[in-house]
Amino acid sequence: QQPVQSPQAVILREGEDAVINCSSSKALYSVHWYRQKHGEAPVFLMILLKGGEQKGHDKISASFNEKKQQSSLYLTASQLSYSGTYFCGTESGGTSYGKLTFGQGTILTVHP
Amino acid sequence: DAGVTQSPTHLIKTRGQHVTLRCSPISGHKSVSWYQQVLGQGPQFIFQYYEKEERGRGNFPDRFSARQFPNYSSELNVNALLLGDSALYLCASSFGQGGADEQFFGPGTRLTVL
Repeated sequence: QQPVQSPQAVILREGEDAVINCSSSKALYSVHWYRQKHGEAPVFLMILLKGGEQKGHDKISASFNEKKQQSSLYLTASQLSYSGTYFCGTESGGTSYGKLTFGQGTILTVHP
Repeated sequence: DAGVTQSPTHLIKTRGQHVTLRCSPISGHKSVSWYQQVLGQGPQFIFQYYEKEERGRGNFPDRFSARQFPNYSSELNVNALLLGDSALYLCASSFGQGGADEQFFGPGTRLTVL
């Protein structure tokens, strides 16, 4: 089943913060976050593993709540370059090992 | 180092035709996965190949097939094209097979079926 992302869209001014959530009804082994700009391929941001630590680089970080099967992506002090559609891809292990199931995406727009 | 490469970039076909899409993974990566992305939606898993064997298949009809070669490159074949097959086809490569491996996407092949 497809994970559910919220919100569907976010509009920010430069320097503002945003949180994007990804929720699954299935037990998760890993969560992968990507950003996709219009007409381009998804770009890998980070991966969070079951039992792993919160990840982050620069002003983008993420967490994984195993009990709730939820992940959140945190964007702080947003820049114009952060604009795009953010997707979470979830992997549940077992027969789904290596197969990513993507959410419907969150459109993030950053204005000057 | 080169990233994932895909060819062709764009393709226009008519209903009923056959198409072959190609993907070369990042050097050293042994797994290739194929995804279909329809406009406005997230990528949908089609196949995963690891060490030249099919390791996963998504909910796609038998018109879709793929293979991986000894150099780890891969082909996706779609027979009897339908209008609904129009989409961006993405190839992703990873070092290993599993969910702990980062998957890096290529630029995609935009397929239009008329």
